[in-house]
Amino acid sequence: GAVVSQHPSRVICKSGTSVKIECRSLDFQATTMFWYRQFPKQSLMLMATSNEGSKATYEQGVEKDKFLINHASLTLSTLTVTSAHPEDSSFYICSAYSGDRSYEQYFGPGTRLTVT
Amino acid sequence: GQNIDQPTEMTATEGAIVQINCTYQTSGFNGLFWYQQHAGEAPTFLSYNVLDGLEEKGRFSSFLSRSKGYSYLLLKELQMKDSASYLCAVIDSNYQLIWGAGTKLIIKP
Repeated sequence: GAVVSQHPSRVICKSGTSVKIECRSLDFQATTMFWYRQFPKQSLMLMATSNEGSKATYEQGVEKDKFLINHASLTLSTLTVTSAHPEDSSFYICSAYSGDRSYEQYFGPGTRLTVT
Repeated sequence: GQNIDQPTEMTATEGAIVQINCTYQTSGFNGLFWYQQHAGEAPTFLSYNVLDGLEEKGRFSSFLSRSKGYSYLLLKELQMKDSASYLCAVIDSNYQLIWGAGTKLIIKP
């Protein structure tokens, strides 16, 4: 149980275009979903936290107008990188939390974004 | 500020035992996680400690001392597939997960 999927797994886009990444909890309802970014040889950096039906909470330094997050249902959250630039190239990982007392976050497999 | 420290890199031999330490200073504490992350992949859950003591799960064990702000992950009978980064993360008083930078473990034959 507790499977989280992400789509696409890899995407290459041109500078200035937008890219949407989907994160789905397949067998449980996620009260909260998290979006992380990870640059090579670095740890996970939390970008934002989203709760179903409400606006996402962004971490300091993360532009909310550039990284649009929609958490429309208890099983789906999307991250849209708008007007992508080469410096946005990174590994984007989502995780989902069911709200149980273990506080465990279940991670998606990640999306490798390359902006050319 | 909030801070989690763990060694950047460790090397061990196949079949041996290795201990990866993690110290933390956070605003509140609601548990500590260890995750394993292979290169190019997302993290996978290894353990969760919220009470002091040792939790054993197969070849992996995790220890917590809340009074010392300290945890370690113990890996026994090391296998080549254990080569990965090991991430320590603490849930603070706001129930936010604070991540360490990770320890890259290199296993040599």
